[in-house]
Amino acid sequence: DAGITQSPRYKITETGRQVTLMCHQTWSHSYMFWYRQDLGHGLRLIYYSAAADITDKGEVPDGYVVSRSKTENFPLTLESATRSQTSVYFCASSDGGNIQPQHFGDGTRLSIL
Amino acid sequence: QKEVEQDPGPLSVPEGAIVSLNCTYSNSAFQYFMWYRQYSRKGPELLMYTYSSGNKEDGRFTAQVDKSSKYISLFIRDSQPSDSATYLCAMSAYGNNRLAFGKGNQVVVIP
Repeated sequence: DAGITQSPRYKITETGRQVTLMCHQTWSHSYMFWYRQDLGHGLRLIYYSAAADITDKGEVPDGYVVSRSKTENFPLTLESATRSQTSVYFCASSDGGNIQPQHFGDGTRLSIL
Repeated sequence: QKEVEQDPGPLSVPEGAIVSLNCTYSNSAFQYFMWYRQYSRKGPELLMYTYSSGNKEDGRFTAQVDKSSKYISLFIRDSQPSDSATYLCAMSAYGNNRLAFGKGNQVVVIP
């Protein structure tokens, strides 16, 4: 099916572990984004990518790593998870940056114990 | 001052009422304005997208932008229980590929 798919939908892990959240889109959109959503903070941008092999930091990038070797995939890695990274993570994509609106996946609910 | 302010609510209305939501912003460079709807445990979905000042209507939904007051609104007419969700405003400036989001406003439509 066309769209944007995030996996896993739910993840529980322990502090210090590495965890990777996957994002795949079938629209061939050039831009992709990672957000975290927390009560009281709303959606905050972690990283974004304008094209394959081009990434840039957002508002809250510390503790996260991204890569984009293919246009359709944009994985987000927490290299050493901390409790403060417990959140709901959303991936989004758009065709042409801010000129076109962003379309979101259904999120990954991540709990770090 | 945050770039985008949105009263988080929650807002409870009876079925059939008009729902009125709004956001204020501080960045005069914002030109693209969006409203997203987010159901529980789902991602935000685009509801309305407008450029610059004026009104845009789509079925029961009307988006209004007043750039002189730095104020945007979303109106939902004849509200239905299926409209119960969190509504987020978002906006961006030309040449900037980031969106600035409000914190979201939870709406409950009571049958």
